[in-house]
Formats: sequence, C-alpha cells, structure tokens
Amino acid sequence: EAQVTQNPRYLITVTGKKLTVTCSQNMNHEYMSWYRQDPGLGLRQIYYSMNVEVTDKGDVPEGYKVSRKEKRNFPLILESPSPNQTSLYFCASSTRQGNYGYTFGSGTRLTVV
Amino acid sequence: RKEVEQDPGPFNVPEGATVAFNCTYSNSASQSFFWYRQDCRKEPKLLMSVYSSGNEDGRFTAQLNRASQYISLLIRDSKLSDSATYLCVVNPASGGSYIPTFGRGTSLIVHP
Repeated sequence: EAQVTQNPRYLITVTGKKLTVTCSQNMNHEYMSWYRQDPGLGLRQIYYSMNVEVTDKGDVPEGYKVSRKEKRNFPLILESPSPNQTSLYFCASSTRQGNYGYTFGSGTRLTVV
Repeated sequence: RKEVEQDPGPFNVPEGATVAFNCTYSNSASQSFFWYRQDCRKEPKLLMSVYSSGNEDGRFTAQLNRASQYISLLIRDSKLSDSATYLCVVNPASGGSYIPTFGRGTSLIVHP
C-alpha cells in the first residue's frame, strides 16, 4: 500500500530534550515536506526537500532541523524543544511537480512541557 | 493579499443541502489545484483534483476559474459524514520549484 509513515503518533517530552520524528514514504517520491498545524493557523511549512541531500526552509523553520540522506526518509529533528513547538505535525510527499497531489502521514501530536 | 484564501466558516447546513466553497489564489501562473478533506486531528486526504474543464465525482463538483483566480467545490445532497474541514491547495508555476500553498480550510458542519 502506498503510504507515508510517521512515528511516533503521540509524544510528550520535556523542554530541551532532543527528539526526532521519523517520516518514511514508499512511493519513490522526490518531494517531501514537514508541516505543523495549530488552531486557526492552518498548515505551515517547516522544511521541504526536493530530493536526496536537497533541503530548504519553509515558512517556520526556527528550532527545527531535517535531513534527507535517503529518498524514502525525511526525519524532523528538534534539538532543544520548547513549549511553543507543541503542535500537530504532518509529513507529506509527492512527485516532483506535485501534479497528483500530496500524500500525508497520519500525524504526530507533540506536547512539550 | 494572502496567496490562497478561504472563508473559514463554519458552514452549517442541514442534511440534503447543497453547499459551495470558494478558494481564491493570487499567483496567476499557478499550475495545478486540489481539494483536500481533513477530519478533526487527522491527516488531510485528497478529495479531488481540479481541472480547467471542471470535474465531478459523485456528489462533488470542482471547478476552476482562471480569469477570476478561484477554485470552487460544490457538494450536493450533503451527508452527516461530509462534516469536515476542506482545504484548497494551489501549486505554483514552473521555475524549478513546486511548493504547494495550502489554504487554511473551510469548516463544514452538516446537521440532521
């Protein structure tokens, strides 16, 4: 089944404790992206990648890191999480031009206390 | 002006009603367009692509008006299960990058 897999689904952590949210897709998609979604603000792009070893900042990259060492994986790293990073996170992927739309992972609900 | 704008609603309609949402976009060279459905705290899921000629999928009809730079979604015979947030997605023109822009969504509540 074609899918984007995110883990974990839920995470509660403490301020400053490094964490990684994993994202993997099995559709051989070039484009992958991370979004956060907060009430009233819609989906905001954190980082995106057009291919292996190619990553770019989105609208809200501060406090986040990503890497794209393999085509299928695009982990999101929070080196020192803070409470304002409490949010619902989605990973998405598509073909390079996105002509067929975007496939999203099931989401990761992160709480930083 | 925001790149992609949607009326957040909520649109509160009875079962069986017909409801329409619009989504305006600012980049006149945008290439492709989509409607997504998102249930509360779930991931957005592709509902339908929007083609220049318009397209229909059962009770759902999507249309594109390039001259006025908006896309629309029409839902006929609304069901309770149609209650969700509907996001429009606009893909930019060429130039090497195809970073989609998402609207903030329109909330639909269908009541008995």
